[in-house]
Amino acid sequence: SAVISQKPSRDICQRGTSLTIQCQVDSQVTMMFWYRQQPGQSLTLIATANQGSEATYESGFVIDKFPISRPNLTFSTLTVSNMSPEDSSIYLCSVAKLTGRRYEQYFGPGTRLTVT
Amino acid sequence: GNSVTQMEGPVTLSEEAFLTINCTYTATGYPSLFWYVQYPGEGLQLLLKATKADDKGSNKGFEATYRKETTSFHLEKGSVQVSDSAVYFCALTTYGGSQGNLIFGKGTKLSVKP
Repeated sequence: SAVISQKPSRDICQRGTSLTIQCQVDSQVTMMFWYRQQPGQSLTLIATANQGSEATYESGFVIDKFPISRPNLTFSTLTVSNMSPEDSSIYLCSVAKLTGRRYEQYFGPGTRLTVT
Repeated sequence: GNSVTQMEGPVTLSEEAFLTINCTYTATGYPSLFWYVQYPGEGLQLLLKATKADDKGSNKGFEATYRKETTSFHLEKGSVQVSDSAVYFCALTTYGGSQGNLIFGKGTKLSVKP
C-alpha cells in the first residue's frame, strides 16, 4: 500500500492568486497523478507527474494553468495559477504501485480549494 | 471514448437493507473495473476490483461481478450498516489493470439510517 499526505487540506483563496499543493508519499513510486473533483462531479485526471521530465497533461489542462513539479520519487506539487471561482474543487494526488503484475492506485486525502 | 455511468444518488437506506448501485461502462479493449469509496472527510480508497470478464471482486461484504455481455459492474451488499455511508465511485482503466488514466463515474452518495 501507500500512505499519501497532502498540504494544505483546504484553503480559501482570492481570485487571481495562485496556490501550490504538496503531495508526499511514504515510499518511492514511479507514477504520480493529479486529479480534480469539481463539486458534485466525477474525478478528472489533470496530469501525470513525471520525475525528471515535464508532466504529461490531459486534454483541457495546460502547464501554464497547472504547473507541476516532481523533484523526486516521493514528492510532487501542483500549482493552481491565476485562480477563478471555477477552480473551486478538491484536488487529489494519486500514486500507482505495482501489486503482483498489475498496478494499483492509491489516493491522498485531497485538498479542498475554494476561490472567492 | 471510454466512459462510466453510475446510477444517480443520493441513495438512502435503512440499516440491514440490501444495496445495489448500478454501474455500466463503455470501453475499447478489455478494461479493468474498480469500485472506490470515499468516507466523509477521508480520501478515496479502493473497495474492490475485477480485471477480466466474470471475475467477482469482493471486500467488506461488498461484491461486484464483471459482466462483459452487459458491460456492467454493479455493486451489491446484502446488509448495509450505518458505517457504509459514503460516496461510491465506479471506475475503469483500459491499460490491463496497470497504471494509467482511471476514468470515474460521477459517484453515488449512500446514506444508511439506523
